[in-house]
Amino acid sequence: DSGVTQTPKHLITATGQRVTLRCSPRSGDLSVYWYQQSLDQGLQFLIQYYNGEERAKGNILERFSAQQFPDLHSELNLSSLELGDSALYFCASSVVEGLETQYFGPGTRLLVL
Amino acid sequence: KNQVEQSPQSLIILEGKNCTLQCNYTVSPFSNLRWYKQDTGRGPVSLTIMTFSENTKSNGRYTATLDADTKQSSLHITASQLSDSASYICVVSATRGSTLGRLYFGRGTQLTVWP
Repeated sequence: DSGVTQTPKHLITATGQRVTLRCSPRSGDLSVYWYQQSLDQGLQFLIQYYNGEERAKGNILERFSAQQFPDLHSELNLSSLELGDSALYFCASSVVEGLETQYFGPGTRLLVL
Repeated sequence: KNQVEQSPQSLIILEGKNCTLQCNYTVSPFSNLRWYKQDTGRGPVSLTIMTFSENTKSNGRYTATLDADTKQSSLHITASQLSDSASYICVVSATRGSTLGRLYFGRGTQLTVWP
């Protein structure tokens, strides 16, 4: 158990819908990272927050947005869902940023029908 | 183009044997290279993190090497165990000020250890 929690574990929805994925980092960790892992694309970095501020952006679509709240939990919002958005979404956290070890949560498995 | 290539794509070895996984990258400027182990359906677990100045880093039976000149890294697994069966992912970070910068992921090597 990494200490990072993600909810829900599984999510099934329809195309065009909007969902919110939630992540609680390890106690004391200030950085939160979101990743998407699909069968054809592998693991991809989406976005990073540090102490409430966006710090780095990866391959995040405009239909996706994220935020980190004052209590340091983070949410990833996915809208206008498409079939291709079906994937595992991981959240990771680290104490600060840079060379810190990132601890990954168990992931949310999203299926868009 | 910044890329990370891993080889082999998959590997089957017998329990107790050693193996070496390769990672070649073209990411520039280079910041650090990480190896992750990912069990099926689980989140990745960090094995090693190496910066430009580090050649070798060990974590138990896992030893990672880095040659920043040739832009190659390897992960050597000693005395393999059934629990080593997983995907091993190489991740390279590009420098961008004091932030994390861009991350470039390999597609992973799927290792299967047979009894």
